[in-house]
Amino acid sequence: EDKVVQSPLSLVVHEGDTVTLNCSYEVTNFRSLLWYKQEKKAPTFLFMLTSSGIEKKSGRLSSILDKKELFSILNITATQTGDSAVYLCAVEALDSGYALNFGKGTSLLVTP
Amino acid sequence: DVKVTQSSRYLVKRTGEKVFLECVQDMDHENMFWYRQDPGLGLRLIYFSYDVKMKEKGDIPEGYSVSREKKERFSLILESASTNQTSMYLCASSSYRGEKLFFGSGTQLSVL
Repeated sequence: EDKVVQSPLSLVVHEGDTVTLNCSYEVTNFRSLLWYKQEKKAPTFLFMLTSSGIEKKSGRLSSILDKKELFSILNITATQTGDSAVYLCAVEALDSGYALNFGKGTSLLVTP
Repeated sequence: DVKVTQSSRYLVKRTGEKVFLECVQDMDHENMFWYRQDPGLGLRLIYFSYDVKMKEKGDIPEGYSVSREKKERFSLILESASTNQTSMYLCASSSYRGEKLFFGSGTQLSVL
C-alpha cells in the first residue's frame, strides 16, 4: 500500500495559470516532507517542510504542510513553460528507516 | 556544490550478467541511497547506507546487493541481471538523516 500519494498524476495547463499539486501521506513517526522537481534526470530539491501551517516560498512556488490532516500542497502561480516537469513528494519517517519514501509524482505540462 | 556522480548514463547488459553501478559523492556525506524509477511507479528505494560498511534494505532489495567500502562510494550490484531490472537507477546522498537528498544524473539500464 502506497504511503505517499500524489494527485493528480498528470496535469496540462496554459501559461499563466495557477496550479496546486497535492501530496497525502500515511506513515509512522513522521519527520519531514520534501518536494522535488525532476525535469530530465536528477530530481532537484524545492522545499522541506517539518512544521504545520508554515508556508515555504521561493519565487512563484510555495508549499505548506498540514500535519493534522497528513497532507501538503505545492502551489505554482503564473506558470511558465519552464515549470513543465515531474514534481515529486517524499516523506521521511520511521517506517522506512528515515530514508525518503517517494510518491509516484505529478507530471505537469505547461503549454504556451 | 555537491556532486553525485554515477559512472554510466546508459548501460546495456544481457540477462544473467553481473552488473555494477557505481556512485561517488564529493561532499563527505554520511548517507547514500539507491533508488530505481519506473514509469507509473515513481522512485522506489532499493538499499541505503548510513555509514561505511553498513547497509539497510529498502522497499525492493530483492535481486540487488550493495557495497560501501569507502565513505564516498556506494555501489549497487545486480548479481544476475534480469529483464525486469531494466530501469532508471538513481543514486543520492545526504549529509545526515532528514537532510535533503542530492541526486546523481541517473543510469538508464537495459537488460536484454
